[in-house]
Amino acid sequence: EDQVTQSPEALRLQEGESSSLNCSYTVSGLRGLFWYRQDPGKGPEFLFTLYSAGEEKEKERLKATLTKKESFLHITAPKPEDSATYLCAVYRSGGSNYKLTFGKGTLLTVNP
Amino acid sequence: DTAVSQTPKYLVTQMGNDKSIKCEQNLGHDTMYWYKQDSKKFLKIMFSYNNKELIINETVPNRFSPKSPDKAHLNLHINSLELGDSAVYFCASSQAHEQYFGPGTRLTVT
Repeated sequence: EDQVTQSPEALRLQEGESSSLNCSYTVSGLRGLFWYRQDPGKGPEFLFTLYSAGEEKEKERLKATLTKKESFLHITAPKPEDSATYLCAVYRSGGSNYKLTFGKGTLLTVNP
Repeated sequence: DTAVSQTPKYLVTQMGNDKSIKCEQNLGHDTMYWYKQDSKKFLKIMFSYNNKELIINETVPNRFSPKSPDKAHLNLHINSLELGDSAVYFCASSQAHEQYFGPGTRLTVT
Protein backbone atom coordinates (compact mmCIF):
# COMPACT_ATOMS: atom_id res chain seq x y z
CA GLU A 1 0.00 0.00 0.00
CA ASP A 2 1.18 3.51 -0.80
CA GLN A 3 2.56 5.41 2.16
CA VAL A 4 3.21 9.11 2.52
CA THR A 5 4.89 10.44 5.65
CA GLN A 6 5.32 14.13 6.35
CA SER A 7 7.66 15.64 8.90
CA PRO A 8 7.68 17.47 11.13
CA GLU A 9 4.04 17.35 12.19
CA ALA A 10 4.31 20.96 13.30
CA LEU A 11 6.90 23.66 12.71
CA ARG A 12 7.09 27.07 14.27
CA LEU A 13 9.32 29.70 12.63
CA GLN A 14 10.12 33.33 13.14
CA GLU A 15 9.43 35.62 10.22
CA GLY A 16 12.41 35.45 7.88
CA GLU A 17 13.68 32.13 9.27
CA SER A 18 14.01 29.75 6.30
CA SER A 19 13.34 26.05 6.68
CA SER A 20 12.17 22.90 4.88
CA LEU A 21 9.28 20.49 5.16
CA ASN A 22 9.77 16.84 4.27
CA CYS A 23 7.53 14.37 2.49
CA SER A 24 8.84 10.81 2.19
CA TYR A 25 6.94 8.23 0.20
CA THR A 26 6.78 4.53 -0.48
CA VAL A 27 5.03 4.17 -3.79
CA SER A 28 5.45 1.65 -6.53
CA GLY A 29 5.70 3.52 -9.81
CA LEU A 30 5.36 7.15 -8.78
CA ARG A 31 3.68 9.20 -11.49
CA GLY A 32 3.48 12.48 -9.64
CA LEU A 33 3.85 14.19 -6.27
CA PHE A 34 1.68 17.13 -5.27
CA TRP A 35 1.94 19.85 -2.69
CA TYR A 36 -1.13 21.59 -1.34
CA ARG A 37 -1.66 24.37 1.18
CA GLN A 38 -4.65 24.25 3.51
CA ASP A 39 -5.79 27.22 5.57
CA PRO A 40 -8.07 26.67 8.59
CA GLY A 41 -11.67 26.12 7.55
CA LYS A 42 -10.83 25.93 3.85
CA GLY A 43 -10.16 23.32 1.23
CA PRO A 44 -6.65 22.37 0.11
CA GLU A 45 -5.19 24.76 -2.45
CA PHE A 46 -2.99 23.30 -5.19
CA LEU A 47 0.64 24.50 -5.17
CA PHE A 48 2.92 22.22 -7.22
CA THR A 49 3.19 19.00 -9.16
CA LEU A 50 6.53 17.22 -9.49
CA TYR A 51 6.87 14.31 -11.90
CA SER A 52 10.46 13.10 -11.83
CA ALA A 53 13.51 13.02 -9.56
CA GLY A 54 15.55 16.17 -9.85
CA GLU A 55 12.61 18.33 -10.79
CA GLU A 56 12.11 21.64 -8.97
CA LYS A 57 9.23 24.10 -8.96
CA GLU A 58 9.09 27.57 -7.40
CA LYS A 59 6.36 29.96 -6.42
CA GLU A 60 7.13 33.12 -4.47
CA ARG A 61 8.88 32.01 -1.26
CA LEU A 62 8.23 28.31 -1.85
CA LYS A 63 10.38 25.81 -3.73
CA ALA A 64 9.52 22.14 -4.09
CA THR A 65 12.10 19.49 -4.97
CA LEU A 66 11.82 15.77 -5.64
CA THR A 67 14.15 12.79 -5.21
CA LYS A 68 13.39 9.11 -5.67
CA LYS A 69 12.31 8.75 -2.07
CA GLU A 70 11.21 12.15 -0.84
CA SER A 71 10.21 15.67 -1.59
CA PHE A 72 11.10 18.87 0.19
CA LEU A 73 9.17 22.08 0.39
CA HIS A 74 11.66 24.85 1.08
CA ILE A 75 10.34 28.07 2.52
CA THR A 76 12.65 31.04 2.14
CA ALA A 77 12.22 34.06 4.43
CA PRO A 78 8.68 33.10 5.41
CA LYS A 79 6.03 35.63 6.35
CA PRO A 80 3.11 35.19 8.77
CA GLU A 81 0.76 34.75 5.80
CA ASP A 82 2.63 31.54 4.93
CA SER A 83 1.16 29.97 8.07
CA ALA A 84 -0.96 26.99 7.01
CA THR A 85 -0.98 23.22 6.86
CA TYR A 86 1.05 21.91 3.94
CA LEU A 87 -0.08 18.60 2.48
CA CYS A 88 1.83 16.24 0.25
CA ALA A 89 0.11 13.67 -1.97
CA VAL A 90 1.28 11.01 -4.41
CA TYR A 91 -0.21 9.56 -7.55
CA ARG A 92 1.05 6.29 -8.99
CA SER A 93 0.82 4.16 -12.07
CA GLY A 94 -0.77 0.73 -12.10
CA GLY A 95 -3.62 1.64 -9.80
CA SER A 96 -6.58 3.89 -10.26
CA ASN A 97 -5.74 6.69 -12.60
CA TYR A 98 -7.38 9.22 -10.33
CA LYS A 99 -6.41 8.33 -6.77
CA LEU A 100 -4.21 10.56 -4.65
CA THR A 101 -2.77 9.33 -1.37
CA PHE A 102 -2.20 12.15 1.09
CA GLY A 103 0.16 12.54 4.01
CA LYS A 104 -1.06 13.94 7.31
CA GLY A 105 0.41 17.35 6.71
CA THR A 106 2.79 19.75 8.42
CA LEU A 107 1.26 22.63 10.36
CA LEU A 108 3.48 25.66 9.77
CA THR A 109 3.22 28.69 12.03
CA VAL A 110 5.24 31.80 11.20
CA ASN A 111 5.45 34.33 13.98
CA PRO A 112 5.97 38.04 13.22
CA ASP B 1 -16.02 32.92 -9.78
CA THR B 2 -16.31 29.90 -7.52
CA ALA B 3 -14.58 26.90 -9.11
CA VAL B 4 -15.76 24.09 -6.83
CA SER B 5 -18.66 24.84 -4.52
CA GLN B 6 -20.35 22.77 -1.83
CA THR B 7 -23.57 23.15 0.11
CA PRO B 8 -24.17 23.30 2.93
CA LYS B 9 -21.00 24.58 4.60
CA TYR B 10 -22.13 23.35 8.01
CA LEU B 11 -24.48 20.48 8.80
CA VAL B 12 -25.53 19.50 12.31
CA THR B 13 -27.82 16.54 12.65
CA GLN B 14 -28.78 13.71 14.96
CA MET B 15 -27.77 10.10 14.79
CA GLY B 16 -29.96 8.02 12.54
CA ASN B 17 -30.91 10.85 10.21
CA ASP B 18 -30.30 10.91 6.46
CA LYS B 19 -28.56 13.89 4.89
CA SER B 20 -27.12 15.03 1.57
CA ILE B 21 -24.21 17.25 0.56
CA LYS B 22 -24.10 18.82 -2.88
CA CYS B 23 -21.09 19.72 -5.01
CA GLU B 24 -20.81 21.63 -8.26
CA GLN B 25 -17.78 22.57 -10.36
CA ASN B 26 -17.65 25.12 -13.16
CA LEU B 27 -14.15 24.21 -14.36
CA GLY B 28 -15.33 21.88 -17.10
CA HIS B 29 -13.47 18.97 -15.48
CA ASP B 30 -14.39 15.37 -16.24
CA THR B 31 -13.57 13.86 -12.84
CA MET B 32 -14.99 14.63 -9.42
CA TYR B 33 -14.19 13.27 -5.96
CA TRP B 34 -15.38 13.07 -2.39
CA TYR B 35 -12.84 13.12 0.43
CA LYS B 36 -13.26 12.82 4.19
CA GLN B 37 -10.98 14.76 6.53
CA ASP B 38 -11.08 13.50 10.08
CA SER B 39 -10.36 15.33 13.32
CA LYS B 40 -6.63 14.69 12.86
CA LYS B 41 -6.78 16.45 9.49
CA PHE B 42 -6.08 13.25 7.55
CA LEU B 43 -7.57 13.52 4.07
CA LYS B 44 -8.80 10.26 2.57
CA ILE B 45 -10.55 9.62 -0.70
CA MET B 46 -14.00 8.07 -0.62
CA PHE B 47 -15.32 8.12 -4.18
CA SER B 48 -14.48 9.34 -7.63
CA TYR B 49 -16.62 9.77 -10.73
CA ASN B 50 -15.40 10.28 -14.28
CA ASN B 51 -18.03 11.52 -16.71
CA LYS B 52 -20.80 10.31 -14.41
CA GLU B 53 -19.22 6.86 -14.05
CA LEU B 54 -18.03 5.60 -10.65
CA ILE B 55 -14.32 4.79 -10.88
CA ILE B 56 -13.11 4.81 -7.29
CA ASN B 57 -15.05 3.36 -4.40
CA GLU B 58 -12.87 3.01 -1.35
CA THR B 59 -13.87 0.95 1.68
CA VAL B 60 -16.69 3.23 2.67
CA PRO B 61 -19.83 1.96 4.45
CA ASN B 62 -22.70 1.47 2.03
CA ARG B 63 -24.64 4.08 4.01
CA PHE B 64 -22.71 6.52 1.84
CA SER B 65 -24.01 6.79 -1.71
CA PRO B 66 -22.64 9.20 -4.29
CA LYS B 67 -24.66 10.37 -7.25
CA SER B 68 -23.54 12.25 -10.32
CA PRO B 69 -26.45 13.64 -12.36
CA ASP B 70 -23.99 15.21 -14.82
CA LYS B 71 -20.25 15.75 -14.95
CA ALA B 72 -20.48 19.13 -13.21
CA HIS B 73 -22.28 17.77 -10.15
CA LEU B 74 -21.47 15.11 -7.57
CA ASN B 75 -23.68 14.70 -4.55
CA LEU B 76 -23.16 12.60 -1.45
CA HIS B 77 -26.07 11.05 0.39
CA ILE B 78 -25.55 9.53 3.82
CA ASN B 79 -28.12 7.25 5.44
CA SER B 80 -28.49 6.44 9.12
CA LEU B 81 -25.83 8.87 10.29
CA GLU B 82 -23.48 7.75 13.05
CA LEU B 83 -21.29 9.70 15.47
CA GLY B 84 -18.19 8.53 13.61
CA ASP B 85 -19.40 10.22 10.44
CA SER B 86 -18.59 13.59 11.99
CA ALA B 87 -15.85 15.11 9.83
CA VAL B 88 -15.22 17.63 7.11
CA TYR B 89 -16.20 16.38 3.66
CA PHE B 90 -14.44 17.86 0.65
CA CYS B 91 -15.44 17.70 -2.96
CA ALA B 92 -12.74 18.04 -5.63
CA SER B 93 -12.47 17.98 -9.39
CA SER B 94 -9.72 17.42 -11.92
CA GLN B 95 -9.06 17.27 -15.63
CA ALA B 96 -5.50 15.97 -15.44
CA HIS B 97 -3.75 14.99 -12.23
CA GLU B 98 -4.11 18.22 -10.27
CA GLN B 99 -7.22 18.18 -8.12
CA TYR B 100 -9.03 21.34 -7.09
CA PHE B 101 -10.95 21.30 -3.85
CA GLY B 102 -14.13 22.89 -2.63
CA PRO B 103 -14.43 24.73 0.70
CA GLY B 104 -15.67 21.70 2.61
CA THR B 105 -18.81 20.73 4.53
CA ARG B 106 -18.41 20.30 8.26
CA LEU B 107 -20.76 17.53 9.35
CA THR B 108 -21.48 17.15 13.05
CA VAL B 109 -23.55 14.21 14.20
CA THR B 110 -24.93 14.46 17.74
